Amino acid sequence: GEDVEQSLFLSVREGDSSVINCTYTDSSSTYLYWYKQEPGAGLQLLTYIFSNMDMKQDQRLTVLLNKKDKHLSLRIADTQTGDSAIYFCAVRNTGGFKTIFGAGTRLFVKA
Amino acid sequence: DADVTQTPRNRITKTGKRIMLECSQTKGHDRMYWYRQDPGLGLRLIYYSFDVKDINKGEISDGYSVSRQAQAKFSLSLESAIPNQTALYFCATSDPRDRESRQYFGPGTRLTVT
Repeated sequence: GEDVEQSLFLSVREGDSSVINCTYTDSSSTYLYWYKQEPGAGLQLLTYIFSNMDMKQDQRLTVLLNKKDKHLSLRIADTQTGDSAIYFCAVRNTGGFKTIFGAGTRLFVKA
Repeated sequence: DADVTQTPRNRITKTGKRIMLECSQTKGHDRMYWYRQDPGLGLRLIYYSFDVKDINKGEISDGYSVSRQAQAKFSLSLESAIPNQTALYFCATSDPRDRESRQYFGPGTRLTVT
């Protein structure tokens, strides 16, 4: 079945860039998302990209999509301590009734 | 006020007990979902409902049941709780008219079964 994989931990220093990677197996994935989960809270949609795009930038966030390799990444520029959270990659295909989530990458930001 | 709320936020229960987790939303969305989150496993779909009369099993529905009492309310029940149902449970909603199919999550219920 469909699978979404991401590394479980990432540690960066404040002010550096963070890059969180994700791979997926369903080549028909049309919508690809990044959700953020802060401690004690639910997931919040951070950004998303359509499969017909290869890059999307939104302020400090850059999403890169390599459809050939089924690889999605989220870059956070100038990472701040407030960016410490769990980041979930998720994919959905056109007409699909469910979104498949990765296990989440816990980002630690060291001051 | 939060758009998606869950009650209780925390619950400790004993093996064999029946427990209900409740979810309410004010977003007016037709679609509602129940997920469980386990460390290292991410979110797994338990049940989903596309409208009041439509209930569907997700990938891990065994041991769970749901009730969609109204468009705004979707409850998850554990008929006889067991320790491996200890997890963080999330309710989510989405709007079928949203082309991006974005989901909106509640704050979660932390359930511990002893």
